[in-house]
Amino acid sequence: AQKITQTQPGMFVQEKEAVTLDCTYDTSDQSYGLFWYKQPSSGEMIFLIYQGSYDEQNATEGRYSLNFQKARKSANLVISASQLGDSAMYFCAMTRANTGNQFYFGTGTSLTVIP
Amino acid sequence: DVKVTQSSRYLVKRTGEKVFLECVQDMDHENMFWYRQDPGLGLRLIYFSYDVKMKEKGDIPEGYSVSREKKERFSLILESASTNQTSMYLCASSLLRGYYEQYFGPGTRLTVT
Repeated sequence: AQKITQTQPGMFVQEKEAVTLDCTYDTSDQSYGLFWYKQPSSGEMIFLIYQGSYDEQNATEGRYSLNFQKARKSANLVISASQLGDSAMYFCAMTRANTGNQFYFGTGTSLTVIP
Repeated sequence: DVKVTQSSRYLVKRTGEKVFLECVQDMDHENMFWYRQDPGLGLRLIYFSYDVKMKEKGDIPEGYSVSREKKERFSLILESASTNQTSMYLCASSLLRGYYEQYFGPGTRLTVT
């Protein structure tokens, strides 16, 4: 069974500092995709960033970057220069080939940005 | 701009009632998904569908059924609601082939009393 593990139930970060949210995954597939989503208190799921298993470079989207270490099966999200609006739940997810883009989600990390 | 809408943001039902949760997407996506979200458990897949009239069980299909009569609409049905089905329900859609983000609706918070 595929599995996504997020070991940090809650994290705190000072405003303007960087923070890393951990995600490890378990798959024997060679081809897969990794995603991060943000869920503010309003409830909507917002797509942040994507990394393909064959991508050699780490994905970046503005203040978000994905630290992809394939051998370690980790896909950590790095948020630089944290803002108060970054306070939210963050979910890591994975999809595999030939699954119809079915996602496997982690249990999430709650991030609180302190002013 | 992809839009996924869900019929209700909040719903309160009684035990034993039949409950319909509706989801509509406007981007001609093949795939549609129903998840339930509970604190500490993340998002768990109930059912998904990759085509009209097609459905596949996810991780927790017990107590639920689905219907997809049109490509843009995917309904989740609780045949006889129970208190342990009190949860947040999220609908999502995506393209079928390749690795694409799923687009989510705003969610329905269902309370069964």
